[in-house]
Amino acid sequence: TQLLEQSPQFLSIQEGENLTVYCNSSSVFSSLQWYRQEPGEGPVLLVTVVTGGEVKKLKRLTFQFGDARKDSSLHITAAQPGDTGLYLCAGVRGAGNMLTFGGGTRLMVKP
Amino acid sequence: SAVISQKPSRDICQRGTSLTIQCQVDSQVTMMFWYRQQPGQSLTLIATANQGSEATYESGFVIDKFPISRPNLTFSTLTVSNMSPEDSSIYLCSGEGLEVDYGYTFGSGTRLTVV
Repeated sequence: TQLLEQSPQFLSIQEGENLTVYCNSSSVFSSLQWYRQEPGEGPVLLVTVVTGGEVKKLKRLTFQFGDARKDSSLHITAAQPGDTGLYLCAGVRGAGNMLTFGGGTRLMVKP
Repeated sequence: SAVISQKPSRDICQRGTSLTIQCQVDSQVTMMFWYRQQPGQSLTLIATANQGSEATYESGFVIDKFPISRPNLTFSTLTVSNMSPEDSSIYLCSGEGLEVDYGYTFGSGTRLTVV
């Protein structure tokens, strides 16, 4: 059983559509990070959310951390083909600041 | 932001042999991590590598199979020993807190195929 449940696993949409990816857990995290990964590359950090209820915006991407710091969402407005990739949420906890990754969401945006 | 150079980027190996993957960071980092990833899927932590101490392995991973070295604060290696086809995967290293917002920096991965 994954500690961080990410949904949906796969998403195929048309350019211009909106989408939301969810990351849920029964555990509390000190912070939560979102990464995007393209084939042949390592994950690249998009954002870190730290405070319960926090909302961060990165151009067309909006990230929200749940009030209880157990869940998070990523909303993309007017998706573009360049948004295609694997999106990963990762919770940070413990003295070692280790990351626990969600299962990932594979997004394909068709032109 | 920091850069992690990982090599080799890919390799095809015979079963029973071993492969050592190297990661070089362009700045000092306390903790480095090694992950395994099936294409298109999430990352599974293999072990945490700290300088001056033995690596800490996650459940399901053992030192004899995945020996790790961490000779200094900018370098680490992971060896995949006595390989079998089940070891075919992408292996990634990362360093803690190298990014703004304390994000992790990742190497570009090593795609390993065991035949």
